[in-house]
Amino acid sequence: NAGVIQTPRHKVTGKGQEATLWCEPISGHSAVFWYRQTIVQGLEFLTYFRNQAPIDDSGMPKERFSAQMPNQSHSTLKIQSTQPQDSAVYLCASSRQGERNEQYFGPGTRLTVL
Amino acid sequence: GQQVQQSPASLVLQEGENAELQCNFSSTATQLQWFYQSPGGSLVSLLSNPSGTKHTGRLTSTTVTKERRSSLHISSSQTTDSGTYLCAPGGNMGYKLTFGTGTSLLVDP
Repeated sequence: NAGVIQTPRHKVTGKGQEATLWCEPISGHSAVFWYRQTIVQGLEFLTYFRNQAPIDDSGMPKERFSAQMPNQSHSTLKIQSTQPQDSAVYLCASSRQGERNEQYFGPGTRLTVL
Repeated sequence: GQQVQQSPASLVLQEGENAELQCNFSSTATQLQWFYQSPGGSLVSLLSNPSGTKHTGRLTSTTVTKERRSSLHISSSQTTDSGTYLCAPGGNMGYKLTFGTGTSLLVDP
């Protein structure tokens, strides 16, 4: 059984460019979460989908960041006009049904903004 | 928001020794997970334990919900246990995990 799949594993963008990160949750999992990990801030929650519907985006920066889940097999995190401070490892996790179930994390996408 | 403190910050053991990692958090948590992360590696879920005691292999976690604390006991440590251990309580709804800064464990042969 494959775990959470994230692509690409590494992405380098120039300042002002757009970055789209992809996540494929574990088959059968109905909840998808996005987190961000930096040296300074540690691991931070960004957003949560349940059954493809956005439930909580309280951790998302209000500008330039958006997330979608168009179908049960993938979610995307899009960052417009990337800035150097967006450089981080972006982690996707999934769980069976949602709020109190164990979350399983993907390997992450390391985003570097030059 | 949820605040998480883990102790010790770092720990060095000889192979075969036991380790006790502590996690204290500031707000109600209806979910709590312990994770392992190797340098540059993925987050691996070790245990989901919002209350009580749970065992898996050489790991035992005890969470006292009312006292907002959890511990992770590693028995008979091995060199392959070296890495960072992270405690992550969720909030009232459970899903918004807040991560501590971790305990860095080094097991010498």
